[in-house]
Amino acid sequence: NAGVMQNPRHLVRRRGQEARLRCSPMKGHSHVYWYRQLPEEGLKFMVYLQKENIIDESGMPKERFSAEFPKEGPSILRIQQVVRGDSAAYFCASSLTSGGATDTQYFGPGTRLTVL
Amino acid sequence: AQSVTQPDIHITVSEGASLELRCNYSYGATPYLFWYVQSPGQGLQLLLKYFSGDTLVQGIKGFEAEFKRSQSSFNLRKPSVHWSDAAEYFCAVGPLGGSQGNLIFGKGTKLSVKP
Repeated sequence: NAGVMQNPRHLVRRRGQEARLRCSPMKGHSHVYWYRQLPEEGLKFMVYLQKENIIDESGMPKERFSAEFPKEGPSILRIQQVVRGDSAAYFCASSLTSGGATDTQYFGPGTRLTVL
Repeated sequence: AQSVTQPDIHITVSEGASLELRCNYSYGATPYLFWYVQSPGQGLQLLLKYFSGDTLVQGIKGFEAEFKRSQSSFNLRKPSVHWSDAAEYFCAVGPLGGSQGNLIFGKGTKLSVKP
């Protein structure tokens, strides 16, 4: 069973460009979460999605950030007009359910975004 | 508000010594509790989790953790540390479920192991 897959693993963008991060959940998982890890910090929740629905985006910055999880294909975290402060590791996690004993979140290896 | 505190930013132990990493939480109900480990440049690997039942939980790699409701703690322990345990350890709480699916993480404790 493949784990959570993220690509690219490393992404370099210049200020003002767009960054697109992809996440494929574990097989059978329909719940996807995105977290951001700044240097020397723990992970901070950004957004929680199920197929074709955004369930909770309370951790997403109000501007420039968006996320989707289409019926087919991976979940996408999109950052428009990147700034240096967006440099961080972005982790995706997936779970079988949400809430309860089976809702363990399994994490991908992360995408490390560097904004020049 | 829910929160997780890991009081120790950095701990150094000698190989073969015992280890305890502290985690305290603030939560409105009985939480679901997790410990994850992150090696440098890598993602997070689940060590163990507590949902209910026995308050002493066994995990992978010889780790265990004990849930103490009275102290709002979920400390991680290992009787004998190996050099390969050097990594960063994160305690997390949640999710509440439904529309509140996210985990809340502590800031992490970085473990160094002396030969």
